[in-house]
Amino acid sequence: DVKVTQSSRYLVKRTGEKVFLECVQDMDHENMFWYRQDPGLGLRLIYFSYDVKMKEKGDIPEGYSVSREKKERFSLILESASTNQTSMYLCASSLKLAGGTDTQYFGPGTRLTVL
Amino acid sequence: DAKTTQPNSMESNEEEPVHLPCNHSTISGTDYIHWYRQLPSQGPEYVIHGLTSNVNNRMASLAIAEDRKSSTLILHRATLRDAAVYYCILRSSGSARQLTFGSGTQLTVLP
Repeated sequence: DVKVTQSSRYLVKRTGEKVFLECVQDMDHENMFWYRQDPGLGLRLIYFSYDVKMKEKGDIPEGYSVSREKKERFSLILESASTNQTSMYLCASSLKLAGGTDTQYFGPGTRLTVL
Repeated sequence: DAKTTQPNSMESNEEEPVHLPCNHSTISGTDYIHWYRQLPSQGPEYVIHGLTSNVNNRMASLAIAEDRKSSTLILHRATLRDAAVYYCILRSSGSARQLTFGSGTQLTVLP
């Protein structure tokens, strides 16, 4: 089975701190994603990576950056955490398949609270 | 991606089959039908997908109407662990990379 792991299930940080969220997948997937999920807003894509060192902005990249130095690892960085970044952060990965057939595998999520 | 419509909530008794409906009347010929579910405090989980024919896997079955305007996710014997929000999504070859979840169906399984 595909396994996607995230470094923390729960995280509490203070406003202005730099925050690192790590995601690792063990199935040699090309694509990796960072989403945030908020009540009433569904899933929103922050960043997407389709290969090592390659990234694309999603719908809400402001205040975030990402790093993908190795195929299995995709990091989300909050440069200066703010209270409006309190959310559930979800990492996902998928094979680079023909459109329509790709399936995404999610990690358990990190619930980040910024005080 | 084309729009899907699902009931907000459904209830089932444990060990009974559950049929979760999804309407997608504007589906196009290249749209795949995907189902994901999200258990409480967990990340979403892929369940099944199909194009035209009915599909089975170890988790569930997917029944697709002949005109493809609706589909049904079938859990053959619901367990308490199947209580989750179930999302029906259409994905085409030209769709954006990200998944876009609607509001889904909250399934409650009664003991």
